[in-house]
Amino acid sequence: GESVGLHLPTLSVQEGDNSIINCAYSNSASDYFIWYKQESGKGPQFIIDIRSNMDKRQGQRVTVLLNKTVKHLSLQIAATQPGDSAVYFCAEYMYSGGGADGLTFGKGTHLIIQP
Amino acid sequence: DTAVSQTPKYLVTQMGNDKSIKCEQNLGHDTMYWYKQDSKKFLKIMFSYNNKELIINETVPNRFSPKSPDKAHLNLHINSLELGDSAVYFCASSQDSQGRDEKLFFGSGTQLSVL
Repeated sequence: GESVGLHLPTLSVQEGDNSIINCAYSNSASDYFIWYKQESGKGPQFIIDIRSNMDKRQGQRVTVLLNKTVKHLSLQIAATQPGDSAVYFCAEYMYSGGGADGLTFGKGTHLIIQP
Repeated sequence: DTAVSQTPKYLVTQMGNDKSIKCEQNLGHDTMYWYKQDSKKFLKIMFSYNNKELIINETVPNRFSPKSPDKAHLNLHINSLELGDSAVYFCASSQDSQGRDEKLFFGSGTQLSVL
């Protein structure tokens, strides 16, 4: 079946470096994508979203890139800080599916920031 | 003020018992959800509910039932708990489930341990 997934389960970067977390999705009809951050013992927290009519969106220190040709989504975090250590999830939503089905989440990448 | 709050945070119980997890949102959102997160951090939707419609993920056993006394509350009741029910359960809400804003706001989770 179609699903959302991540290439790397764990990513370790040095504090201050940039990090890139990747996500491959297989549902070409997906319209809307979100990146969530989940810190230990907490619920997922919204970071940034992007709609399928865009290929890039920037936030504060974060950028999401969408490549619909290869069905790939990435989250770039600039100048990583210790507080960026968390599990990051990509999620997709397909409007044409109808109903209140919520988001479909990928498997998550654990980002570790080394001091 | 906490936007989406759920209680209890930890729940330890014996097999066969019946338990409930409560969830409240003060965001004025139309739709609420329950997600289950397994030991590998995979998030899977269980239910979505607005004041008109309950959508049930067909893979969820009928021992699980959502109960909504009003738009701001969606409680999760579980009958005859099994070992495999052990997981973290997240409540979430969104402004509008009809494709206009699928950004979910999550509670902090309830860690359920069935012994």
